[in-house]
Amino acid sequence: AQTVTQSQPEMSVQEAETVTLSCTYDTSENNYYLFWYKQPPSRQMILVIRQEAYKQQNATENRFSVNFQKAAKSFSLKISDSQLGDTAMYFCAFMRYNNNDMRFGAGTRLTVKP
Amino acid sequence: NAGVTQTPKFQVLKTGQSMTLQCAQDMNHNSMYWYRQDPGMGLRLIYYSASEGTTDKGEVPNGYNVSRLNKREFSLRLESAAPSQTSVYFCASSERTGTRYSNQPQHFGDGTRLSIL
Repeated sequence: AQTVTQSQPEMSVQEAETVTLSCTYDTSENNYYLFWYKQPPSRQMILVIRQEAYKQQNATENRFSVNFQKAAKSFSLKISDSQLGDTAMYFCAFMRYNNNDMRFGAGTRLTVKP
Repeated sequence: NAGVTQTPKFQVLKTGQSMTLQCAQDMNHNSMYWYRQDPGMGLRLIYYSASEGTTDKGEVPNGYNVSRLNKREFSLRLESAAPSQTSVYFCASSERTGTRYSNQPQHFGDGTRLSIL
């Protein structure tokens, strides 16, 4: 079974600074997808960024980027120029190729301080 | 843009009561999902429907049933609610998943907070 581990239950960062959230996963698969979702206090789950395992290039979406290390099974999220609106729970998720069962980590609560 | 709509948003049940959570999406997505979220844990998949007419068990299906009524609607039923099913329930949909060239992210509803006394 696939497992996703987020080792940082809580983190904080000053506004405008950079923060990195960690995620590791365990799988024997070679093809899969990785995601970071954001859940603000409104409770809605919002996709932040995704990575396909067969792509070596790290995904980037504006201020959000990932460091995907396939051999190490690591998928960290970097948020640059943090904004107050980035305050939320962040979930790392894994999905096997050709399978609809997405597995989530326990989440990291990020607080951006003014 | 409605996206994924869940009803109700809140519900309190007594142990043993039955309840159906409704979910509808207006994005013409093929795949739909039901998750539960418990404190200190990520979302766990209960059931999913890869396409209209099909349903499959996820990670935690016990105590639940689902119906994919049509392409738009996917309901989750608790036949005899138990306190262990107190949770926040999320419905999600996606265009297609699991293929190399057409994997799409899941779009989530706002959740249903369900308490069972």
